[in-house]
Amino acid sequence: DAGVIQSPRHEVTEMGQEVTLRCKPISGHNSLFWYRQTMMRGLELLIYFNNNVPIDDSGMPEDRFSAKMPNASFSTLKIQPSEPRDSAVYFCASSLRGGVAYGYTFGSGTRLTVV
Amino acid sequence: GQQVMQIPQYQHVQEGEDFTTYCNSSTTLSNIQWYKQRPGGHPVFLIQLVKSGEVKKQKRLTFQFGEAKKNSSLHITATQTTDVGTYFCAGLQRETSGSRLTFGEGTQLTVNP
Repeated sequence: DAGVIQSPRHEVTEMGQEVTLRCKPISGHNSLFWYRQTMMRGLELLIYFNNNVPIDDSGMPEDRFSAKMPNASFSTLKIQPSEPRDSAVYFCASSLRGGVAYGYTFGSGTRLTVV
Repeated sequence: GQQVMQIPQYQHVQEGEDFTTYCNSSTTLSNIQWYKQRPGGHPVFLIQLVKSGEVKKQKRLTFQFGEAKKNSSLHITATQTTDVGTYFCAGLQRETSGSRLTFGEGTQLTVNP
């Protein structure tokens, strides 16, 4: 299994530009999570999906952030317009049975820099 | 909402010394998970504890879950340079439509050879 695949690995963009992060979860995993990691705030849950349905997006910072999961094998996190304070590492994770017993499998992350 | 706190934030040890990180939750947890993140890497699942008072071992790592299921600890015996990284605890919160992890701030471990 290739694990959770995220793209791109690194993204540098100018303030005001649209940014789209992509994630392919592990086949068969029915839950998908987007986390953001910064030195100041640690690992923050932005949104999670169960069976492709968004369950809780209360962690999404503001309307500039949106996430979709059109099918079981693909999800996107979009920031429009981007701001320097969005600079962080964004992780996608997937799990089987809600993460019980087997935990979450994280992707390698996308390091976003907004200048 | 659920809050999970970890101490210490940083720990520097000499190779061969022991290391312990502590995790406390503001609410009773259904279970707790531990992850390790190497520098520049991503969190990797280590273990899950479910039962009150549970103790699990993985080689030199010992994990404990408190009797009240509100705290947990990770102890590493005789640290090695390969143990370097940040160790996170995470409380699993079950909801009617799914479940999610709330991560602690992590303890960053450095090991001097």
